[in-house]
Amino acid sequence: SQELEQSPQSLIVQEGKNLTINCTSSKTLYGLYWYKQKYGEGLIFLMMLQKGGEEKSHEKITAKLDEKKQQSSLHITASQPSHAGIYLCGAVLPLNSGYALNFGKGTSLLVTP
Amino acid sequence: DGGITQSPKYLFRKEGQNVTLSCEQNLNHDAMYWYRQDPGQGLRLIYYSQIVNDFQKGDIAEGYSVSREKKESFPLTVTSAQKNPTAFYLCASSPPWGTDTQYFGPGTRLTVL
Repeated sequence: SQELEQSPQSLIVQEGKNLTINCTSSKTLYGLYWYKQKYGEGLIFLMMLQKGGEEKSHEKITAKLDEKKQQSSLHITASQPSHAGIYLCGAVLPLNSGYALNFGKGTSLLVTP
Repeated sequence: DGGITQSPKYLFRKEGQNVTLSCEQNLNHDAMYWYRQDPGQGLRLIYYSQIVNDFQKGDIAEGYSVSREKKESFPLTVTSAQKNPTAFYLCASSPPWGTDTQYFGPGTRLTVL
């Protein structure tokens, strides 16, 4: 089975600082999703990466999928309190028909003033 | 507005009781999913359904049951056989493989008293 390991488990950064969250897979990634979750709420889709070397950005968040397609990173530039939450990576898990997502345990981010 | 609704947001159950969590979507998605999230853990797949009247077990289906009588609805029943049901339950839906991401509902927090 595929294992997804996220690092770090938790992160406290000062407002304005940059940060990176990593997601490493035990197997080749066929698709990698990044979600953000506020405590007690549903997941908000951030980005999806499918091709090795692919990089996508949305506002101050950039995600990359490495060439070998076994690791992805999420980079936040000039962090703000609104970036606080739990960041989850999810790998595509092919099923007999369709697919599900296999998730990492998440990285909890706190941004201090 | 299109989206996924889950109800109730909070649910309390006595030991030995069955309880049903509601999930409705108006996104016209064929596939629907149920995930369970425990503190400090990622999401784990309980059941999924690719089409109406068909569903498959995920990684942790024991003690749970589902039905898919309508495209829009995918209720989850937590039975008394589930040994540790207290958790946060998330419902998701998606279009066919490779075309888009999974969209998540706001979640239901179930507490067994």
